[in-house]
Amino acid sequence: DAGITQSPRHKVTETGTPVTLRCHQTENHRYMYWYRQDPGHGLRLIHYSYGVKDTDKGEVSDGYSVSRSKTEDFLLTLESATSSQTSVYFCAISEGQGGNTEAFFGQGTRLTVV
Amino acid sequence: AQRVTQPEKLLSVFKGAPVELKCNYSYSGSPELFWYVQYSRQRLQLLLRHISRESIKGFTADLNKGETSFHLKKPFAQEEDSAMYYCALSGLGNTPLVFGKGTRLSVIA
Repeated sequence: DAGITQSPRHKVTETGTPVTLRCHQTENHRYMYWYRQDPGHGLRLIHYSYGVKDTDKGEVSDGYSVSRSKTEDFLLTLESATSSQTSVYFCAISEGQGGNTEAFFGQGTRLTVV
Repeated sequence: AQRVTQPEKLLSVFKGAPVELKCNYSYSGSPELFWYVQYSRQRLQLLLRHISRESIKGFTADLNKGETSFHLKKPFAQEEDSAMYYCALSGLGNTPLVFGKGTRLSVIA
């Protein structure tokens, strides 16, 4: 498996509280991504990063922010968690983008907002 | 806009039967297409990409630009093929992967 770890693996939090999920890689890949996986919706991109301090929004970015202060770490923050953010969150990394590039995924973080 | 459609949520086939997982896409340029697979209790992983034109675990997929499709096929399904399959697209400018909603394949012994 590619060197990518997510923490925590499971979390239960209350509505309105801030939550931060961490993605850590040891592959020195340039690109990092946060997706959420929901039944009936598949994987949807939240935010992604194309370098240190370089990030961009994805399809479902409302209510989420990210930070990447160093190559190996990409943090996803839910500023004020809502029940609609209950989901499984996946981090992914890639050296580049496009046809010859493979994305490697973390094990996922199951977040429950009660 | 980029869009990937997988019309089947669940596909059940008998062991040894042919499998076809459908994927259609919407994109104005020349896309890069992929199939990713998630086996039970494992990470999502790349199965194959159209640019490689390879066969992985007996699976193949051909990009049909006229029909905007990238269906995944295998002539003889095996029980170990049971998994969640996602079709994904990367567009011009090497944009992030856009995924379909996924199809769960269940191979019945």
